[in-house]
Amino acid sequence: DSGVTQTPKHLITATGQRVTLRCSPRSGDLSVYWYQQSLDQGLQFLIQYYNGEERAKGNILERFSAQQFPDLHSELNLSSLELGDSALYFCASSPGSLGANVLTFGAGSRLTVL
Amino acid sequence: DAKTTQPPSMDCAEGRAANLPCNHSTISGNEYVYWYRQIHSQGPQYIIHGLKNNETNEMASLIITEDRKSSTLILPHATLRDTAVYYCIVRVPTGTASKLTFGTGTRLQVTL
Repeated sequence: DSGVTQTPKHLITATGQRVTLRCSPRSGDLSVYWYQQSLDQGLQFLIQYYNGEERAKGNILERFSAQQFPDLHSELNLSSLELGDSALYFCASSPGSLGANVLTFGAGSRLTVL
Repeated sequence: DAKTTQPPSMDCAEGRAANLPCNHSTISGNEYVYWYRQIHSQGPQYIIHGLKNNETNEMASLIITEDRKSSTLILPHATLRDTAVYYCIVRVPTGTASKLTFGTGTRLQVTL
C-alpha cells in the first residue's frame, strides 16, 4: 500500500457519459498529480495541483477537469466520454516542497468506455 | 526537463545483476536523475534518485558518470518480480510544479 488511495478501481460506462475519479494523497503530501495511460501507451501527465491550486497542466482535454479540495483530496472529472478515453488513470502525490519531492503513485483507476 | 535515452528492452537471468543504462547528455547542473519502475499495469514505483554521487538503497544502486551525461541503475540480484518497465527521468526536484515526464523506458525481462 503506497498510501495514495484511488477510487473506484474499475469503472465501466458508456460513451457520452460523465465519471469522477477520486484520489486521496499520502498523509502530509500537498501536491497531487493525474496521469493517463492508454493501452500499451506511455504515462501521459494531465494536471497537477498544489495545496488546492493548479500548478501545471499537461495534455488534458477540455472535456476533462480536476480540482483539489481543502482536505487535499482530488477529483478528476471526465465528461462526454469517448471510446478513446478508456485507460488507466493514475494519481500521484508528493510533498511539493523542498527536497527530493518523490512522487508516490496510487494503484490506478481502470476506466472502460463502451 | 532534460531528454533521456534508454534501450527499449533488456533480458536478465534471475540471480544475476541487471544493469540498466540511461543517457541524459543535456542534463543541467540542478537536475537530478530519478528511476521509477512500473510492474504490469500497477502504479509506477519510485526506486532511487541522485545528483552526482553514486547512491544505494535497499532496492538498487545508481551509478552516475562524472560528467553526469549518463547513468546506470543496478539491481544486484534480479528476481522474477523485478520484471517491469524501468523509467529514467531527469528533473529539478524542488518547487511546487515538479511533475515527472515519462518516456518509453526499458522493458526488463527477468528469466529463470
